[in-house]
Amino acid sequence: KAGVTQTPRYLIKTRGQQVTLSCSPISGHRSVSWYQQTPGQGLQFLFEYFSETQRNKGNFPGRFSGRQFSNSRSEMNVSTLELGDSALYLCASSTHNEQYFGPGTRLTVT
Amino acid sequence: QKEVEQNSGPLSVPEGAIASLNCTYSDRVSQSFFWYRQYSGKSPELIMSIYSNGDKEDGRFTAQLNKASQYVSLLIRDSQPSDSATYLCAGYGGATNKLIFGTGTLLAVQP
Repeated sequence: KAGVTQTPRYLIKTRGQQVTLSCSPISGHRSVSWYQQTPGQGLQFLFEYFSETQRNKGNFPGRFSGRQFSNSRSEMNVSTLELGDSALYLCASSTHNEQYFGPGTRLTVT
Repeated sequence: QKEVEQNSGPLSVPEGAIASLNCTYSDRVSQSFFWYRQYSGKSPELIMSIYSNGDKEDGRFTAQLNKASQYVSLLIRDSQPSDSATYLCAGYGGATNKLIFGTGTLLAVQP
């Protein structure tokens, strides 16, 4: 079975721009979660989608948003990028409790 | 108290030894726990899950859950240099029952 895929893998953006990241879950998985990972803060939960509905949300500002499509693929969007948004963004898909991560998108904001 | 706590390490063990990684959790975290391995520059990989009190073995890995003491551990037998990575402990909890990660323990296996 194919794993979780994320695109793009690397991205460089300028402050003030916006970015959209994409995640395709493992076939059959209906839940997709997004995390931000930085050296200082570790893995921080952004949000979770299940059957196109946001089921859970972390403590991030409204600049961070997401959605899920009927085929379970998910996107997250960050608007008005700040330098502090530079991080590895990870998507995880799950069925029941176990979450499986994709390779991540490395975002650098300059 | 943080919901899931780990010693950041580094934990250094010689090749062939047993590496013991520990994690404690608060009352706000449920009884389902997971161990992830993350190599530098890569994403976390699920290596073990444990749902009930006691031990669970999978190859060289053994996860242990002690609900009374609120800790979960991961033992790696016959440690290899390829086991050198950061190990993340995670459990479901919080007000919205999300997966909460510890900060990870860096394991270094010395040849």
